[in-house]
Amino acid sequence: NAGVMQNPRHLVRRRGQEARLRCSPMKGHSHVYWYRQLPEEGLKFMVYLQKENIIDESGMPKERFSAEFPKEGPSILRIQQVVRGDSAAYFCASSPTSGIEQYFGPGTRLTVT
Amino acid sequence: AQSVTQLGSHVSVSEGALVLLRCNYSSSVPPYLFWYVQYPNQGLQLLLKYTSAATLVKGINGFEAEFKKSETSFHLTKPSAHMSDAAEYFCAVSGRNTGFQKLVFGTGTRLLVSP
Repeated sequence: NAGVMQNPRHLVRRRGQEARLRCSPMKGHSHVYWYRQLPEEGLKFMVYLQKENIIDESGMPKERFSAEFPKEGPSILRIQQVVRGDSAAYFCASSPTSGIEQYFGPGTRLTVT
Repeated sequence: AQSVTQLGSHVSVSEGALVLLRCNYSSSVPPYLFWYVQYPNQGLQLLLKYTSAATLVKGINGFEAEFKKSETSFHLTKPSAHMSDAAEYFCAVSGRNTGFQKLVFGTGTRLLVSP
């Protein structure tokens, strides 16, 4: 059973460009969570999605960030007009419908130059 | 609101020595508690979780943690450190509501193991 997959693993963007991060949850998991880890800090919750629905986006910056989890395909975290402060590791996690345990992917390390 | 405090951003031990990583939580309701390990440039792997009345929780790789409600603590221990234990360790808390389980993480403790 493949784990949570994220791609790309490393992404370099210049200031002002767009970053698209993809997350494929474990098979059978319909809940997806995105977390951000800034350098030397713990993970911070960003958004929680189920298929075609955003359930909680209380951790998302108000501007430039958006997330989706379509009926088909991976979950996407989109960052528009990236700035240096967006440089971080972005982790996706998934869980079964009724599970409390979240399974994490390897992360996407975004570097903004 | 829930929060987690991890005491000590770095802990150094010798191989074979006891490992003790400290975690204190704050929660208005009985929480679920977790310890995750992160190896360099990798994602988080669950070590163990506390979700029930059993206060001593055993996890993978010889780690265990004890939930102490009176001290609001969930410290992680391992009797004998191995070089392969060198990594970053995160304590996390979540609520017990059904459905959505947002994890709130501590800032992490980097474990260094010397020969």
